[in-house]
Amino acid sequence: AQTVTQSQPEMSVQEAETVTLSCTYDTSESNYYLFWYKQPPSRQMILVIRQEAYKQQNATENRFSVNFQKAAKSFSLKISDSQLGDTAMYFCAFMRDSNYQLIWGAGTKLIIKP
Amino acid sequence: GAVVSQHPSWVICKSGTSVKIECRSLDFQATTMFWYRQFPKQSLMLMATSNEGSKATYEQGVEKDKFLINHASLTLSTLTVTSAHPEDSSFYICSARDQTSDTAETQYFGPGTRLLVL
Repeated sequence: AQTVTQSQPEMSVQEAETVTLSCTYDTSESNYYLFWYKQPPSRQMILVIRQEAYKQQNATENRFSVNFQKAAKSFSLKISDSQLGDTAMYFCAFMRDSNYQLIWGAGTKLIIKP
Repeated sequence: GAVVSQHPSWVICKSGTSVKIECRSLDFQATTMFWYRQFPKQSLMLMATSNEGSKATYEQGVEKDKFLINHASLTLSTLTVTSAHPEDSSFYICSARDQTSDTAETQYFGPGTRLLVL
């Protein structure tokens, strides 16, 4: 069975700093998708970034980028120039391409300090 | 694009009553929607996968007769919590896939519904 591990329950950084959230997963699948979602205090789940496993190039979305290491089964999220609005719970999720169900990590609470 | 709404956002009910939660895809058609439950400070727990025009697929341990799911159209899925009890109090979230998009595997989430059963 697939599992997703986020080893950092909570992190805090100063505004404008760069922060990296870690995520590892376990699977025997060769093709799958990986996601980072953020859940701010409003509890609305928002897609941050997605990565297709067959693509070697790391996904980027403005200040958000990932370091996808397929062999190591690692999928970390880097947030550059962090902003107060980045304060949220961040969830890493895995999806097989066969059933579209998400397997979730436990989440990392990120606090951006002014 | 890819906006999902949920209604109501907040509901308080008495023990023993039933509560219906609606999930709508506003700008796309969703043949598949998902229902989750989230406890405080925890991750999402998948309850069921809702397929338009067919019966929902429930995860192990989720009572089908208690959590009724109907996906009667390509833009609407409903979750009915029947004979609600205080232990059903939780945050319920739905998501939907836009299977016609280039990112058809991506799930877009509704804002959630807080249910409090007294």
